[in-house]
Amino acid sequence: DVKVTQSSRYLVKRTGEKVFLECVQDMDHENMFWYRQDPGLGLRLIYFSYDVKMKEKGDIPEGYSVSREKKERFSLILESASTNQTSMYLCASRRTGLGRQHFGDGTRLSIL
Amino acid sequence: AQSVTQLDSQVPVFEEAPVELRCNYSSSVSVYLFWYVQYPNQGLQLLLKYLSGSTLVESINGFEAEFNKSQTSFHLRKPSVHISDTAEYFCAVSEGNEKLTFGTGTRLTIIP
Repeated sequence: DVKVTQSSRYLVKRTGEKVFLECVQDMDHENMFWYRQDPGLGLRLIYFSYDVKMKEKGDIPEGYSVSREKKERFSLILESASTNQTSMYLCASRRTGLGRQHFGDGTRLSIL
Repeated sequence: AQSVTQLDSQVPVFEEAPVELRCNYSSSVSVYLFWYVQYPNQGLQLLLKYLSGSTLVESINGFEAEFNKSQTSFHLRKPSVHISDTAEYFCAVSEGNEKLTFGTGTRLTIIP
C-alpha cells in the first residue's frame, strides 16, 4: 500500500523562524501536494508539484515556498513563520491523472 | 472556477439510523467528484469517486453517493450507521486538471 510519511506529527516554532515540513512517498508518484486544514475552512491547497523540480501555486501560496529535488520528497517551507500559519498541514501524493490522492497523517504546527 | 459547498458542518445521528451528508458543487465544465473520510488523528482516505458511467457509486463499507448533474449535487448516504463511521467527511471536485477543491467538511457523530 502507498505510504506518505510526514516527518513530524507535532511541531512548535517561534515567529520569524524558517520552518521546514518534509513529506516522503514510496510509490514513485509524479504529483505531490501540500494543504493546510483549518476548522470551518476545510483543506486549502498551498502548492503542488507535477514532477521533480516542478511546482505550481495553489490557492493560498503567500508566505510559503516548496522544494522538489527528488521525486519521492516534497518540502514545504515557511520563510518567516507567523502566528496565522498555526495549522494542520497535510501532504498528499498521486500518480498523474484522476486517481485518488494518498495523504499523510498530518503535521500540527504551532507558531508561538 | 470550481467550488464545493457542504451545507452541514456537524451531523449527529443515532446508531443504526440512516444518514445523508450533503454536497453541492459549482463548475462551468464537466466534473469529477470525490468523497474523502478523515478518522480522528489521521490523514484523509478516499471513500468513493465518480469519474464517469453510472451515476450511483458505492464504497466497500456501505456508503453510496449519487451524481445529480441537474441539481449539481453529490450527496453521500448510508442506510444504517455504525459507531466506527464517526469521522469528518470531505466532498471534493476536480475539473479534470490536477487540482482538487475540497468542501469545508461535515463532522459525523454517531450517538449510541
